[in-house]
Amino acid sequence: QKEVEQDPGPLSVPEGAIVSLNCTYSNSAFQYFMWYRQYSRKGPELLMYTYSSGNKEDGRFTAQVDKSSKYISLFIRDSQPSDSATYLCAMSAPGGSEKLVFGKGTKLTVNP
Amino acid sequence: EAQVTQNPRYLITVTGKKLTVTCSQNMNHEYMSWYRQDPGLGLRQIYYSMNVEVTDKGDVPEGYKVSRKEKRNFPLILESPSPNQTSLYFCASSFNNQGADGYTFGSGTRLTVV
Repeated sequence: QKEVEQDPGPLSVPEGAIVSLNCTYSNSAFQYFMWYRQYSRKGPELLMYTYSSGNKEDGRFTAQVDKSSKYISLFIRDSQPSDSATYLCAMSAPGGSEKLVFGKGTKLTVNP
Repeated sequence: EAQVTQNPRYLITVTGKKLTVTCSQNMNHEYMSWYRQDPGLGLRQIYYSMNVEVTDKGDVPEGYKVSRKEKRNFPLILESPSPNQTSLYFCASSFNNQGADGYTFGSGTRLTVV
C-alpha cells in the first residue's frame, strides 16, 4: 500500500460548485497535513496547513483531517475558474528524519 | 521578496553532456530539496540537504549529484544525462524537513534530454 493515495482525477465542475478533494494515508505517525496548489507551468504553493485532527477554514477553503480514518479532505466552496489547478496533499510526522510525503495530485478544472 | 530561484527554466540537451541546474533561496532556510515531477508519478524526491555540507539521497537519486557549500545554494548536477531524466524539476526549501511551515518551491526547470 502506498503511503499516500490521491485520486488523480481529472475533476471538472461548473463555476460555483462545491469541490471535494481527498487523500488517504497509511502512516499513523503523520501529524502535519498540507494542501498545495499547482498552476500549470508553476511550482506548488502552500494552500492550507493543519496540525493533527480537526478542521481549518480559510475563506472559501476548508481542510479536514480525520486521523481515525487516515483521511484528509479539502473543500472549495463557490469554486471559481481561477481555482483550476492541480491540488496535492502532503503530510509528515514529527521527528528529525521524517520527510514530507506528497500525493500524486488531483487536476481540477472549474468551467465558467 | 522571499523566493526560490531556479535556472534555467527550460533546457534541451544531448545524452551524456554534463549539466547543472542552479537553485538559490533568500529565506535563510536550513532545509533544501530537489524533486522531479512526472505524469502519473507525482513529485519524487531526488536529494535533500539538512544544512551546509549535509546532503542525503531521496527516493530517486540515481544519475544525480548535489552539493551544499553555502546555505542559500543547492545545485543539481547531472554528470551524464540520459533520456529517462527528461522531466520537470523543482527545488524547494523550508525551515525543516517536515514542511510544517510549508515548502517554498521554485518555478521549475523543464529538462529534455535527447
